[in-house]
Amino acid sequence: SYELTQPPSVAVSPGQTARITCSGDALPNQYTYWYQQKPGQAPLLVIYRDTERPSGIPERFSGSSSGTIATLTISGVQAEDDADYYCQSADTTDSIFFGGGTKLTVL
Amino acid sequence: EVQLVESGGGLVKPGGSLRLSCTGTGVSLSNVWMSWVRQAPGKGLEWVARIISRPDGGARDYAAPVKGRFSAWRDDSKNTLYLQMNSLKTEDTAVYYCTSFFNWGQGALVTVSS
Repeated sequence: SYELTQPPSVAVSPGQTARITCSGDALPNQYTYWYQQKPGQAPLLVIYRDTERPSGIPERFSGSSSGTIATLTISGVQAEDDADYYCQSADTTDSIFFGGGTKLTVL
Repeated sequence: EVQLVESGGGLVKPGGSLRLSCTGTGVSLSNVWMSWVRQAPGKGLEWVARIISRPDGGARDYAAPVKGRFSAWRDDSKNTLYLQMNSLKTEDTAVYYCTSFFNWGQGALVTVSS
């Protein structure tokens, strides 16, 4: 079964830059999507198609992808960014998979 | 404003069945690729099923753990998606979301327990 691998946790101080990676063998040929999820809430799309930001998402959220690794970057992290983050993509048969999630702690 | 509202969750015994519904407002679900995604308690997100939009053919596909047990379909007249879950297992316990990935419902809790 296909896997997308994320670090379990990332910790940064307010104002710093947080980078969360997602690795998968099919990423060179598939888009990556990123979601933010806070406790008790549904996920919120923050990046789609590797680099696009939905309306209403702050500019400090950005995405990139190179080879088998996609990266979510949060510049100037704020306390409200403390949340779980999930990447999502597809395998070579277009079945959808999520990464295991990364807990971002704002110190 | 797009809203997705799930209903039909509850407690069911192993081997039992349950049907979830997802009604959309502010969006025509027949024109959107929709998925069901679940999240077991304290765990990550897991894709369950997808229904492709009518203009793109309307095909459906399923994740390996639910294939042959779950069935998803759409009633365009009611702008509603359904997820029929049969032969339920304890490991199917989760909050089930319907989503276009751009929009998510609030989720429906399904608990499979004896």
